[in-house]
Amino acid sequence: GAVVSQHPSWVICKSGTSVKIECRSLDFQATTMFWYRQFPKQSLMLMATSNEGSKATYEQGVEKDKFLINHASLTLSTLTVTSAHPEDSSFYICSARGGTSNLGYEQYFGPGTRLTVT
Amino acid sequence: DAKTTQPPSMDCAEGRAANLPCNHSTISGNEYVYWYRQIHSQGPQYIIHGLKNNETNEMASLIITEDRKSSTLILPHATLRDTAVYYCIVRVASGFQKLVFGTGTRLLVSP
Repeated sequence: GAVVSQHPSWVICKSGTSVKIECRSLDFQATTMFWYRQFPKQSLMLMATSNEGSKATYEQGVEKDKFLINHASLTLSTLTVTSAHPEDSSFYICSARGGTSNLGYEQYFGPGTRLTVT
Repeated sequence: DAKTTQPPSMDCAEGRAANLPCNHSTISGNEYVYWYRQIHSQGPQYIIHGLKNNETNEMASLIITEDRKSSTLILPHATLRDTAVYYCIVRVASGFQKLVFGTGTRLLVSP
């Protein structure tokens, strides 16, 4: 149980285009989802927190108009990188937290999406 | 959330126990200690967490000192597949429950 998937696993896009990354909780309902970014040889950096049906809360320094987050259902959150530039190339990882005690309120992570902007 | 300090890297021989330390001297009474690990180019994997008692599961054991200012993650019989970056994180169990990742310990298990 507690499986989180991401799609796509990797994507290459041209500078100036937008890219959408999906995060799904496959066998549980995720009341809260988190989006992280990780540059090579660095730790994960939290970008934003989203609760189903409400606006995402962005961390300081993260542009909300550039990284659009939608959490329309209890099993799906999407991250759209708008007008991508080479400096947005990174490993994007989502996590999902269940709202029930049997899952221990833990965060379960997706496998990540590697974005390369050319 | 309290800050944690971990050694940047550790080595361990396959089959031996790996003991990964973590200092969290400013931990508050309502903060838990969590351990995650990240194998190269994958998402982090939850390992174990605890408040003040020692904990054990199928993956590892967590030993928390009585004053809660430090803890040790123990992998009893390390395998090559345990090579990863291990993150010790302290956080409250309420609110958004954000996880703030530090730099972690890079564990290398060798044959």
